[in-house]
Amino acid sequence: DIQMTQSPSSVSASVGDRVTITCRASQGISSWLAWYQQKPGRAPKLLIYAASSLQSGVPSRFSGSGSETDFTLTISSLQPEDFATYYCQQTNSFPITFGQGTRLEIK
Amino acid sequence: EVQLLESGGGLVQPGGSLRLSCVASGFTFSSYAMSWVRQAPGKGLEWVSDISGSGGSTYYADSVKGRFTMSRDNSKNTVYLQMNSLRAEDTALYYCAKDKGGKRYVDYWGQGTLVTVSS
Repeated sequence: DIQMTQSPSSVSASVGDRVTITCRASQGISSWLAWYQQKPGRAPKLLIYAASSLQSGVPSRFSGSGSETDFTLTISSLQPEDFATYYCQQTNSFPITFGQGTRLEIK
Repeated sequence: EVQLLESGGGLVQPGGSLRLSCVASGFTFSSYAMSWVRQAPGKGLEWVSDISGSGGSTYYADSVKGRFTMSRDNSKNTVYLQMNSLRAEDTALYYCAKDKGGKRYVDYWGQGTLVTVSS
């Protein structure tokens, strides 16, 4: 199985900050990676797919990059509504696996 | 508008069974793979199972293989998750999820149905 490891597990930041979250796969997954945002009590929301493609309706301050084993999610200028938990997901092969999550908190 | 409505969750004793259902609307159901993803209380997301649009292919997490069975009825726009031999560690909110189209990214999620396994 492909293991997905996110870092950091949590991060504190302020509105307006630039934040980067990383996700590492235990083996190469090409660009078969997605990022999701989840707020408390809500279902996850797709932000980025195919490593760098922005899902329709998602603000352009979100961007993704990377390939094979190393990926990043960047939020260019944090907004109050961005404080949430973020998950990466590999879909290169079954079983599909998620990272453990990164909690983005207000500083 | 895409909608996914899960049902069937509840309290069950260890070793028991439950069948979850998810009724979909707002898209051509048979054209899309569907999946179940669960989230234990206070924990992260765990992919559980996936089924192709035709229903001909199914995939399972190792943690549920041999105990859970995913199926679909394209005439009813419904997917199912039959869960047998339930364990305490299966306690979670179970989300029904729609494939974006092609590579198992999830573009729509249901609201989830809670399964609690406890004596």
